[in-house]
Amino acid sequence: DIQMTQSPSTLSASVGDRVVITCRASQSISSWLAWYQQKPGKAPKLLIYKASNLESGVPSRFSGSGSGTEFTLTISSLQPDDFATYYCQQYNSHSITFGGGTKVEIK
Amino acid sequence: QVQLVQSGAEVKKPGSSVKVSCKASGGIVGSFVISWVRQAPGEGLEWMGGIISTLDTANYAERFQGRVTITADESTSTAYMELSSLRSEDTAVYYCARSRGGSYSAFVIWGQGTVVIVSS
Repeated sequence: DIQMTQSPSTLSASVGDRVVITCRASQSISSWLAWYQQKPGKAPKLLIYKASNLESGVPSRFSGSGSGTEFTLTISSLQPDDFATYYCQQYNSHSITFGGGTKVEIK
Repeated sequence: QVQLVQSGAEVKKPGSSVKVSCKASGGIVGSFVISWVRQAPGEGLEWMGGIISTLDTANYAERFQGRVTITADESTSTAYMELSSLRSEDTAVYYCARSRGGSYSAFVIWGQGTVVIVSS
């Protein structure tokens, strides 16, 4: 299986900060990567698909980049609603895997 | 608005099985690709497997092979996940999620989650 490694696991930031979360794949996944946001007690919500495509309805402060094995999710200006846990997911094959998650906390 | 509606919470004994359903409503007809993802308390997301309804073929994560069965009924737009030989470590929220298009891809729609508690 392809392993997905996210960093950091926890991130403390303030409203207005630029936030960058990294995801590394154990082998090349081309651009078959998605990012999700999850809040406590809720199902995850798709933010980015195919590495850099913004899902409909998602604010433009979210952006994704990367290909191959290295990917990033950037929040350009952190808003109060963005404090949550973020997961990357690869879907390069018929065996899907998630990263371990990054919790974005209030500083 | 397309939605995935899952069956209700379950409490099971160790060694038993659980079957969770996931029904698509709001305009989905025909083929679909559904995955099942679980989340243990305080833990991350874990893909268990999925099914492409047109192929009626399921794919499973290696660690669940032999213990999970995923099926789909296109006529009722419903997918099912059955997990057998339950143990306490299977206590989790189980989500179904639908991919856009006809193959595995990003999960655009999620069910509300089904809590499964395994306890003697």
